[in-house]
Amino acid sequence: RKEVEQDPGPFNVPEGATVAFNCTYSNSASQSFFWYRQDCRKEPKLLMSVYSSGNEDGRFTAQLNRASQYISLLIRDSKLSDSATYLCVVFAYSGAGSYQLTFGKGTKLSVIP
Amino acid sequence: DARVTQTPRHKVTEMGQEVTMRCQPILGHNTVFWYRQTMMQGLELLAYFRNRAPLDDSGMPKDRFSAEMPDATLATLKIQPSEPRDSAVYFCASGPGQNYGYTFGSGTRLTVV
Repeated sequence: RKEVEQDPGPFNVPEGATVAFNCTYSNSASQSFFWYRQDCRKEPKLLMSVYSSGNEDGRFTAQLNRASQYISLLIRDSKLSDSATYLCVVFAYSGAGSYQLTFGKGTKLSVIP
Repeated sequence: DARVTQTPRHKVTEMGQEVTMRCQPILGHNTVFWYRQTMMQGLELLAYFRNRAPLDDSGMPKDRFSAEMPDATLATLKIQPSEPRDSAVYFCASGPGQNYGYTFGSGTRLTVV
């Protein structure tokens, strides 16, 4: 089983739509969680951290369910500029005093005019 | 905005040659990661440093890859000898701690012919 799994998509949605991405992780000792976005041929950029209580940043809402080891990202009122690949990221203790920041393979979103 | 600087941006080299990639983390960030990204594998962790000490390089092929942080302002990733299968984009990321997310550099696009 992969450590961080995401539906690769693509998700093709019209402008103004609401779209949700899901992610599951296998390491129950995971400590921190993030969503990144990556535009074509660019570096990943931090979109938001994900907290157990859920958190919102404008049109973006992230949720974490530790019991189910599940993370979600909801985008409301989609804009053309939201078109990108969204990466689910988990920070977990990997043993011997070390940690790993593990990325899912990403979900591709295309917002269509 | 503070940024992570990677050089070179692009590198084309012949098989068997040595390749050195450099990264200048954001001042004050004590954690540095090296990742490799390909279409097939996504983002793979190669090495992880905290306070300049290598904590995890289990994802790195040890026979040809090496990663170092000679000082707090410079991280290097070296491949010797390079092979065509090393062709990928290599990213460096730095951060102040696990709960704050990590900032990526623009990457080095390596092509080994």
